[in-house]
Amino acid sequence: AQSVTQLDSQVPVFEEAPVELRCNYSSSVSVYLFWYVQYPNQGLQLLLKYLSGSTLVKGINGFEAEFNKSQTSFHLRKPSVHISDTAEYFCAVNAFSGGYNKLIFGAGTRLAVHP
Amino acid sequence: NAGVTQTPKFRVLKTGQSMTLLCAQDMNHEYMYWYRQDPGMGLRLIHYSVGEGTTAKGEVPDGYNVSRLKKQNFLLGLESAAPSQTSVYFCASRSDRTGGIYEQYFGPGTRLTVT
Repeated sequence: AQSVTQLDSQVPVFEEAPVELRCNYSSSVSVYLFWYVQYPNQGLQLLLKYLSGSTLVKGINGFEAEFNKSQTSFHLRKPSVHISDTAEYFCAVNAFSGGYNKLIFGAGTRLAVHP
Repeated sequence: NAGVTQTPKFRVLKTGQSMTLLCAQDMNHEYMYWYRQDPGMGLRLIHYSVGEGTTAKGEVPDGYNVSRLKKQNFLLGLESAAPSQTSVYFCASRSDRTGGIYEQYFGPGTRLTVT
């Protein structure tokens, strides 16, 4: 069964510093991977997705992620964060179960950007 | 184009009371989902629907029922609320078209407290 592990529950960082949010997955089949962001008191918004092709995926708001099949990872990065990036970030993997596609989410990483 | 909307935004129930959460989407999506979000646990799938008139159980279905009488609406019911159902509930939908079959669109959430 597919699963997702987000290795850090909280990541504090100073404004304009780089950040990496780590995500590992387990799957025995082809994977489709996603990063979602949840700003305070809001729903989830898609940041980026990997379906196939280039392993480096660029998303919105300057984020990017790299799919690494050998390490079963899909880490999210941003070279310089802003205060407005403070949010919770969820990694997810597509799962095919019961004849249908579903998303399996990690527990989330809370990114706190300090001035 | 409102996307995915949820009603109500907040609700407080007493143990044993019942209520229905409404999710509506205007994107003509076939698939709809109900998740609950609890601290440190990410999002867990309660029930989902692959089309009008169909529903299926997800990861944590106990204590909930759903109905999809119209394609654009997906209702989540709690017949006898329990404190363990205190959570934030998110609805999501996605297309069944090849280009968008893996991207889910989320509503803003309903914060439910059961006392």
